[in-house]
Amino acid sequence: EPEVTQTPSHQVTQMGQEVILRCVPISNHLYFYWYRQILGQKVEFLVSFYNNEISEKSEIFDDQFSVERPDGSNFTLKIRSTKLEDSAMYFCASSIGRGTEAFFGQGTRLTVV
Amino acid sequence: AQTVTQSQPEMSVQEAETVTLSCTYDTSESNYYLFWYKQPPSRQMILVIRQEAYKQQNATENRFSVNFQKAAKSFSLKISDSQLGDTAMYFCAFTPNAGGTSYGKLTFGQGTILTVHP
Repeated sequence: EPEVTQTPSHQVTQMGQEVILRCVPISNHLYFYWYRQILGQKVEFLVSFYNNEISEKSEIFDDQFSVERPDGSNFTLKIRSTKLEDSAMYFCASSIGRGTEAFFGQGTRLTVV
Repeated sequence: AQTVTQSQPEMSVQEAETVTLSCTYDTSESNYYLFWYKQPPSRQMILVIRQEAYKQQNATENRFSVNFQKAAKSFSLKISDSQLGDTAMYFCAFTPNAGGTSYGKLTFGQGTILTVHP
């Protein structure tokens, strides 16, 4: 069964460093998303991506964040100048269309120290 | 803006019993989708069930069913014959239907931790 794959599963980084979280969405999906879940809290939308551009972003997704689909299969989230409060589980998701169910990757646990 | 509210932070149930998790939402959209996702301790997000707002019939998926009350903006999840493997955090989620300005963005509730006891 097709699945969304995220790497790495766990990333530890020093405060102020840049990290890139990687995702391979399901191959025939057209919509891609990043969500964040701070430990013990609800899942929060960061950004959606369609037709090679950002289609919607939340207020969390400021200039510190960027997304890219560099090669037609990978979908990356870059976080610059990481802060302690960026520590969270980051989920990539993809869907075949708007309103259809989003399939989630297993998440990347980011720890900023 | 849409909001999703899960008023039960924690629930527990005995194995083989039935439990209902509550969810209410607020939206001005007329067409939308509602979902229940399960998050076990591994923290993977797994889709449990999906309901399209224009369908009056409640969705069912094996032991899982929903009670969708559109006028009341209520979307509860019923788990029958609870199993130990159902122990997880359950999230209710909302997305507007295609054609709106939202490109499939999911809005989640706060989650309900369900514990199934042997």
